[in-house]
Amino acid sequence: EPEVTQTPSHQVTQMGQEVILRCVPISNHLYFYWYRQILGQKVEFLVSFYNNEISEKSEIFDDQFSVERPDGSNFTLKIRSTKLEDSAMYFCASSEFLVETQYFGPGTRLLVL
Amino acid sequence: RKEVEQDPGPFNVPEGATVAFNCTYSNSASQSFFWYRQDCRKEPKLLMSVYSSGNEDGRFTAQLNRASQYISLLIRDSKLSDSATYLCVVRGRSNDYKLSFGAGTTVTVRA
Repeated sequence: EPEVTQTPSHQVTQMGQEVILRCVPISNHLYFYWYRQILGQKVEFLVSFYNNEISEKSEIFDDQFSVERPDGSNFTLKIRSTKLEDSAMYFCASSEFLVETQYFGPGTRLLVL
Repeated sequence: RKEVEQDPGPFNVPEGATVAFNCTYSNSASQSFFWYRQDCRKEPKLLMSVYSSGNEDGRFTAQLNRASQYISLLIRDSKLSDSATYLCVVRGRSNDYKLSFGAGTTVTVRA
């Protein structure tokens, strides 16, 4: 069964450093998403991406965040200057069409020290 | 008011029992409803979509009440493997990209 993959599974970084989280969505999917989940809290939407541009973003997704689809398979989330409060599990998701099920990757656990 | 609210539980039930819980959502224009399951420190996985007429998938039954803006999930004949956090998930309008998640209801099935 096709699945979304994410790398790395864990990342530890120093405050102020840049991190790039990588995702490979399911191959025939057209819509891509990033969500995050702070430990003990609910899953929160960050951004959606379709047709090589951001289609929707939340208040969390400020200027420190950016997304990119650098090639035909990868989808990345960059945090330019990490803060302590960016520590969370970051999930990538993809869906074939807008109204279809979103499938989640296993997540990247980011710890900012 | 939170977009999606759930009773956090935990619901501790013996194997074979029936357990049911609800969630409420605030946006009356919401179009799509789902139950996802999340195991500890893992990704959310779709359990089932929820349709207006209610739907069943094996031991799981989901109901939607649009008038009262709540969604329910019932698990019959609970198995140990049903122990997880169940996430109520709502999509707003049909052209909304984002999913809004509840904080989850924790279910623990004991032998």
